[in-house]
Amino acid sequence: GNSVTQMEGPVTLSEEAFLTINCTYTATGYPSLFWYVQYPGEGLQLLLKATKADDKGSNKGFEATYRKETTSFHLEKGSVQVSDSAVYFCALKGVGSNYKLTFGKGTLLTVNP
Amino acid sequence: GAGVSQSPSNKVTEKGKDVELRCDPISGHTALYWYRQSLGQGLEFLIYFQGNSAPDKSGLPSDRFSAERTGGSVSTLTIQRTQQEDSAVYLCASSLETSGRASEQFFGPGTRLTVL
Repeated sequence: GNSVTQMEGPVTLSEEAFLTINCTYTATGYPSLFWYVQYPGEGLQLLLKATKADDKGSNKGFEATYRKETTSFHLEKGSVQVSDSAVYFCALKGVGSNYKLTFGKGTLLTVNP
Repeated sequence: GAGVSQSPSNKVTEKGKDVELRCDPISGHTALYWYRQSLGQGLEFLIYFQGNSAPDKSGLPSDRFSAERTGGSVSTLTIQRTQQEDSAVYLCASSLETSGRASEQFFGPGTRLTVL
C-alpha cells in the first residue's frame, strides 16, 4: 500500500534559519504529492503540491520538488519566520485511489525569535 | 465564513457511550472525507462520500463506526460503544471534485473526542 515517511520532530530553529523537512514515499505509479500545514489552533491547510515528476510546488517561500528517482518531496524554506511555527504534514494521493490522502506523521516546527 | 465546520469542537464521553460528530462541508462540494488524527497512528483516512453514497469505507476501524451523509451536504460520523482507543481528533474535509484542479481538500477544525 501507499505510505509516507517524514522526519521526526520536533524541529527548533532560530528566525532566518534554513529549513528542510525530509519526506519520502512509497506508492505505485506517479502519485500526487502535498505538504499540509496545521497552525496552532487551526485546521489543516494545503501549503503546496506537485502532481508529476520534477514539478516544483511553492507557496509562502516554501518549496518542494517531486523527485521520482529518490521518491522524495522534501520541504525547504530559505529563511523561516516565527509565524512559520506549525506542524507540517507530507501527504500523497495514489493513482488507484485518487481521492484518499495518505499522510506522514507530521513534523512540529518551532521558530524562535 | 464559507469553510468546513464541525461540531462539537470538543466531546468528552464515558466508555461504552455512543457519540455523534457532525460535519458541514463547503456549499457545493460533492466530495466529503473523514480522517482521524491520533497520537499513535497519525492522520488516517476513515471514509469518503461522493454525494450521499460512500464508495470507500475501508478506513473505518471497526463496525462500531458508521457514517452517513444526507442531502449531499451534512455528514454525521457515529461511534457506538466508545472505547478509550477511540480518543482522537476527527477531521472532516470536503472538495468540489475528487480529481483535477478542483480536488483540493479543505479541512475543518476537527472534533477532539476524549473517551474516559
